[in-house]
Amino acid sequence: GQNIDQPTEMTATEGAIVQINCTYQTSGFNGLFWYQQHAGEAPTFLSYNVLDGLEEKGRFSSFLSRSKGYSYLLLKELQMKDSASYLCAAMDSNYQLIWGAGTKLIIKP
Amino acid sequence: NAGVTQTPKFQVLKTGQSMTLQCAQDMNHNSMYWYRQDPGMGLRLIYYSASEGTTDKGEVPDGYNVSRLKKQNFLLGLESAAPSQTSVYFCASSYGSGGGRDTQYFGPGTRLTVL
Repeated sequence: GQNIDQPTEMTATEGAIVQINCTYQTSGFNGLFWYQQHAGEAPTFLSYNVLDGLEEKGRFSSFLSRSKGYSYLLLKELQMKDSASYLCAAMDSNYQLIWGAGTKLIIKP
Repeated sequence: NAGVTQTPKFQVLKTGQSMTLQCAQDMNHNSMYWYRQDPGMGLRLIYYSASEGTTDKGEVPDGYNVSRLKKQNFLLGLESAAPSQTSVYFCASSYGSGGGRDTQYFGPGTRLTVL
């Protein structure tokens, strides 16, 4: 079957760095997406990886290892506004997204 | 440019009632999607439409119907609402390029409660 695993909740301190992991099993693979979702709001796109390696976009970076079925989202210089859920989604061979349950990130001052 | 809009934002129904959730996008996207989001679970695809006039079932289509008569609109119908359909419903759209980098953009959601 198809499956996405990510931690349910993480806590970090303002100004610090946090890494949110995601492992996936899909029928075929056409890329890995990360979305941010603030409470009561819609998911918004953060990043897309299809090749192995790290992609950096400001304070956020995303890493992919296709051989390990593994990705992580790295958030640097954490701000209070980064408190949100982070959703990992893998695109399967039919170009459908398989979604993880999301990781709720709590930032403490 | 409003992006993806959904109406209504909130709705309370009684068991057995029917209703239609509306979604519109102004990005000229080919593909549109309906998801439901429940606590502790990932987004689950109900139905999607790859182009105007076509629809396909997703992971959890039972109890729902959809229509895509115009490219910019995608309607989700609940035929006879059940408490198990209490959820947050998100509409999304994408270019539908068929390639991997087909980012989906989401509407603000409809919070539905079925009593």
